[in-house]
Amino acid sequence: QKEVEQDPGPLSVPEGAIVSLNCTYSNSAFQYFMWYRQYSRKGPELLMYTYSSGNKEDGRFTAQVDKSSKYISLFIRDSQPSDSATYLCATTNSGNTPLVFGKGTRLSVIA
Amino acid sequence: DAMVIQNPRYQVTQFGKPVTLSCSQTLNHNVMYWYQQKSSQAPKLLFHYYDKDFNNEADTPDNFQSRRPNTSFCFLDIRSPGLGDAAMYLCATSRPDRKETQYFGPGTRLLVL
Repeated sequence: QKEVEQDPGPLSVPEGAIVSLNCTYSNSAFQYFMWYRQYSRKGPELLMYTYSSGNKEDGRFTAQVDKSSKYISLFIRDSQPSDSATYLCATTNSGNTPLVFGKGTRLSVIA
Repeated sequence: DAMVIQNPRYQVTQFGKPVTLSCSQTLNHNVMYWYQQKSSQAPKLLFHYYDKDFNNEADTPDNFQSRRPNTSFCFLDIRSPGLGDAAMYLCATSRPDRKETQYFGPGTRLLVL
């Protein structure tokens, strides 16, 4: 079993839709959970960061972590064409463990 | 603006011909990373530096080497590129106490003919 599983999509939604992106992970020691956004032909950029379980909201974006089920989610409200990108989940624990990335979900928001 | 810069953005090389990719940063971060990302795959960490301390991932092929002459610059050397090394190579930086917050460059797309 891979450490982080993420449905690669592609996911296509109309403008204004609520988008739900999800990952599962296998290592219960993971404590830090990130969502990176990667536009075409660009490097990833950190979008959201959550420590341990719970929700975190930033504008139209909400990150959710459920450690009991090892499930992480990113919700995008009122999606815009500019949200069209690949969204990578990532996780790690403290110490020297590197980030473990999911494969990314490619999202297209259609105007 | 503080940033991570990678050159070149696109690199074409021949099978077996050594190639060097470069990365520079103005963030003054201690930690620098090199990732390999193939199409529709997760970025794969090749190695990272904590200052000059080099850390190689166990499954990184010997064909890949790196140099960090100073805080700002880091190089990725591919000694004998094979067709399977065609990929996007991403450089990233972070503070040592904030590895979850990594700043990525735009990447270098390598094509091996």
